[in-house]
Amino acid sequence: KNEVEQSPQNLTAQEGEFITINCSYSVGISALHWLQQHPGGGIVSLFMLSSGKKKHGRLIATINIQEKHSSLHITASHPRDSAVYICAVLFGNEKLTFGTGTRLTIIP
Amino acid sequence: EAQVTQNPRYLITVTGKKLTVTCSQNMNHEYMSWYRQDPGLGLRQIYYSMNVEVTDKGDVPEGYKVSRKEKRNFPLILESPSPNQTSLYFCASSSRRRAEAFFGQGTRLTVV
Repeated sequence: KNEVEQSPQNLTAQEGEFITINCSYSVGISALHWLQQHPGGGIVSLFMLSSGKKKHGRLIATINIQEKHSSLHITASHPRDSAVYICAVLFGNEKLTFGTGTRLTIIP
Repeated sequence: EAQVTQNPRYLITVTGKKLTVTCSQNMNHEYMSWYRQDPGLGLRQIYYSMNVEVTDKGDVPEGYKVSRKEKRNFPLILESPSPNQTSLYFCASSSRRRAEAFFGQGTRLTVV
């Protein structure tokens, strides 16, 4: 069965802290997406990965294909980073399967 | 500006009254899809389309129809809505299957 698990479900941190959100999946994949959903509900794509590492500003995403695991890191976190972060995995059958999300709250 | 546009943003309707949620993208993307988001269940794929006239079921297709007559448009049709279809719906597009996805603003549907 194609499954995606995220951890932690909720994360509260102080401004400036280094944040890590994890995503594990059950079988081999074609690609993995990290998405950000703000309280207003809109969804923004942060990264799409199939191997290695990508960086955009303070955000870094890594994926380890052998271990079936990806991480999203936020350096120097800021209250505007508060959002729900969602991992989505594209399995070979063309269907995207989503994790249930990590709710991140950054306290000033 | 590159965007995916959904309409309407909010809709309250009654059981059994057919409705259509429109989705349009201006990026000439081949791949489009529909998702619903429910508390505790996360996002689930309803239908997707690899190109014009090519559609396939996602994980929760029951009660929904789609069509892809033009590349830019991918409407979601509820022929006979029921209360269990009350949800937040998102349309998304990408240039190909393995590419960055662009999401619409979401449609909050309530069926009473």
